[in-house]
Amino acid sequence: GESVGLHLPTLSVQEGDNSIINCAYSNSASDYFIWYKQESGKGPQFIIDIRSNMDKRQGQRVTVLLNKTVKHLSLQIAATQPGDSAVYFCAENHGGYQKVTFGTGTKLQVIP
Amino acid sequence: KAGVTQTPRYLIKTRGQQVTLSCSPISGHRSVSWYQQTPGQGLQFLFEYFSETQRNKGNFPGRFSGRQFSNSRSEMNVSTLELGDSALYLCASSFQGAERGETQYFGPGTRLLVL
Repeated sequence: GESVGLHLPTLSVQEGDNSIINCAYSNSASDYFIWYKQESGKGPQFIIDIRSNMDKRQGQRVTVLLNKTVKHLSLQIAATQPGDSAVYFCAENHGGYQKVTFGTGTKLQVIP
Repeated sequence: KAGVTQTPRYLIKTRGQQVTLSCSPISGHRSVSWYQQTPGQGLQFLFEYFSETQRNKGNFPGRFSGRQFSNSRSEMNVSTLELGDSALYLCASSFQGAERGETQYFGPGTRLLVL
């Protein structure tokens, strides 16, 4: 069935290094993708989004890459900081609320 | 601009009881959606309200219900609580809704524990 999944459940990164979190999706009709960050005890926080007519979008220290050929989404965090430690998950939207699918999340641990 | 607020932040209930959760969206946002988050299932869509009307509904039993008021504030009710209802309940708001491909802004959630 349709699904959004993450390749790595836990990612440990040295402070100052770059982080890459991956996400695979299976619905080629999805046209809007979002990355969320969820810290312990808090709700998901919007990080960055990208529409299917783009393959790259940059924010502050974050970059999202979209490869529609292989249905792959990634979040790159530059110069990872301790405050980046959280669970990150992607979401795809292929038309309405019933068609917003969330991944289960990848835990990013930043080693000082 | 204040973010999405949810009350209460924590709740402990026993099986069979009912519970009401409240959500105040970001000022100006008319769409409010509710999600259930559990470690095993991740984020699951419950329902969405827009202009006091339920516009979308996920695959949850009728024990889960909600409503929206004229000021866009929303409440969610769960009746006859079951152990499996223990979860983090999240509310999210946006101007027009996810159907328009808009970003949703989440509140901190209400942690419900059913004993």
